[in-house]
Amino acid sequence: DTEVTQTPKHLVMGMTNKKSLKCEQHMGHRAMYWYKQKAKKPPELMFVYSYEKLSINESVPSRFSPECPNSSLLNLHLHALQPEDSALYLCASSPNRGNEQFFGPGTRLTVL
Amino acid sequence: SQKIEQNSEALNIQEGKTATLTCNYTNYSPAYLQWYRQDPGRGPVFLLLIRENEKEKRKERLKVTFDTTLKQSLFHITASQPADSATYLCALEDTGGFKTIFGAGTRLFVKA
Repeated sequence: DTEVTQTPKHLVMGMTNKKSLKCEQHMGHRAMYWYKQKAKKPPELMFVYSYEKLSINESVPSRFSPECPNSSLLNLHLHALQPEDSALYLCASSPNRGNEQFFGPGTRLTVL
Repeated sequence: SQKIEQNSEALNIQEGKTATLTCNYTNYSPAYLQWYRQDPGRGPVFLLLIRENEKEKRKERLKVTFDTTLKQSLFHITASQPADSATYLCALEDTGGFKTIFGAGTRLFVKA
């Protein structure tokens, strides 16, 4: 299995809702990433987990809360988001640092 | 501040020609440089990775060069095909690993 899966594909939520994005890989990769991508912009790194520990947090607002329950799963918990948080949220994994990243198809998030 | 520039927002070439894309960076000392392809609405797909001590890498019709003195990478697609039309992103990873910064991307259009 050489793919990264993300659910849901699309999500529409209000500013008071709580929702979660899920990412899964079964390639044995030890690093997992969350990126945010706005239209016609490059992916922006949000969080990195290495060996299930949070390694990088790019000063992301606390309304985004990552979680890595095990080496195959990565979640992004969303609460009290703003309309400007609407974007494509991409998950990626890599064997370790200095390796290619495998990206999932993304979750298209719309905040009303 | 760290900055990555990709030479042009869009590049139009004729089928069969070589496409050359440029990635320049400033205020950065990357350990690794990667190139990805992204199609609309999809996650990036890894193409090539080159390390700071490497000058050139090849894979089928793709070639990447890395000049740490000029702070520049060139990405070549030879014998281009309409199916190569996509956005190409360069990405830098620092020596500490994991922190990845993407350039804005170049949209390549290959005309039949």
